[in-house]
This record gives sequence, structure tokens and C-alpha cells, in this order.
Amino acid sequence: EAGVAQSPRYKIIEKRQSVAFWCNPISGHATLYWYQQILGQGPKLLIQFQNNGVVDDSQLPKDRFSAERLKGVDSTLKIQPAKLEDSAVYLCASSTFRGGGGELFFGEGSRLTVL
Amino acid sequence: GESVGLHLPTLSVQEGDNSIINCAYSNSASDYFIWYKQESGKGPQFIIDIRSNMDKRQGQRVTVLLNKTVKHLSLQIAATQPGDSAVYFCAENMRTGFQKLVFGTGTRLLVSP
Repeated sequence: EAGVAQSPRYKIIEKRQSVAFWCNPISGHATLYWYQQILGQGPKLLIQFQNNGVVDDSQLPKDRFSAERLKGVDSTLKIQPAKLEDSAVYLCASSTFRGGGGELFFGEGSRLTVL
Repeated sequence: GESVGLHLPTLSVQEGDNSIINCAYSNSASDYFIWYKQESGKGPQFIIDIRSNMDKRQGQRVTVLLNKTVKHLSLQIAATQPGDSAVYFCAENMRTGFQKLVFGTGTRLLVSP
């Protein structure tokens, strides 16, 4: 079974530029998550989708971050304009579980460096 | 590859020793907990999980203990191997209904041959 696919693996941009990350979850997984992991910290949830609907985006900085999952499969996370503090690894995860607790399957992440 | 974290709490053990990694969680209503392992340059990888109606669960070489009284989780790794070297995170499900996993800050495990 193919895992969660993310691209690009690495991206370096100047502050105020824009960037987009792509995620393709495991086939059949209805729930998709984007996490931000700053160096030395645990992953922090940015946004959670159930199919193509947003379940939780309470920690997404909506003035600069946006995410979509138009057909309920793959997803894109965009940052515009980027700030220095956005330098982090952006992790996508997917799951079959809606509630009650279950494993999240993570991709390898997209590492963003903002100069 | 680049380290996941440079200033994490670190546990250093010798190969063959047993390792115990601890985690304090924040929400007494959390009903589900997971331990993840993260190697340098990779995404977190599932190790073991436990629900709040249990206090112990065993896997292959790993055991998770849950103490709800003091909101504490531990991960025990038996006969630790160099391949166990990584950063370990606990995560708790903080929401009924749609799951919301919140991660702790992590512990780096270093295993010396």
C-alpha cells in the first residue's frame, strides 16, 4: 500500500514570497491533516479535513495560510506571504478514523526555509 | 540528515538496556493516546497506542503505561537497539467526535553500541 505522498521535499524562499505544498493521502482515507513542525518541537495541527470539508482550522494563520481539498482526495497548503517564522517542516497525515482515536499515517514532510 | 530537534530532552542508553520515556499530557478528558517515533528527515511513525479505559498495553518490545490519576504516559522499550535512536513523541486525542491529536514536545533517545 502506498503511503502519504508529499511534495516538494525541500523549498527555500525569500520572505514575502509564496509557496505551495501538495499532499496525496493513502487511498480511501477520508481524514487529512496538515501539521507544522518547527525545529525542536512536536507537530502542531494547522488544519483537518473530513473528505472535502474543514473540521478544524482554529490554529491556521488565515491571513497568510490557506488549504484546500477540493475533491476530497489530495490537498494543497499555501503560504502567502511567507514570514521568517514559517520556516518549519509541513507534515501531511491521513487516517480512516473519524472519532474515537486511531492511527495517523504521516508523509515524509516538506521542509520550508524562509530567508 | 538534519536533526528533528536540537534542544530536546535526551535519554542516552547502552544497547541492550531497557529504555523508559515519559510524557505528561494535559487534558484529563483525553480518551486516546499514541506514541510516535521520528527519525531524522522523516515523518512520525506509529509505535503503539492505548485507550483511556486501559492502563497498560504491550507490543513487540514496547509497552505503554497510562496513569490517568497523574496524567502520565510512559513508553518502555525492551533491549534497546541502535535502530531505536530517534525522537519519540506522545500524542493525546483532545476532542470527542472528530479526532484531534495534540503532540508533546518529544524526547530524543540515543542508543550507544
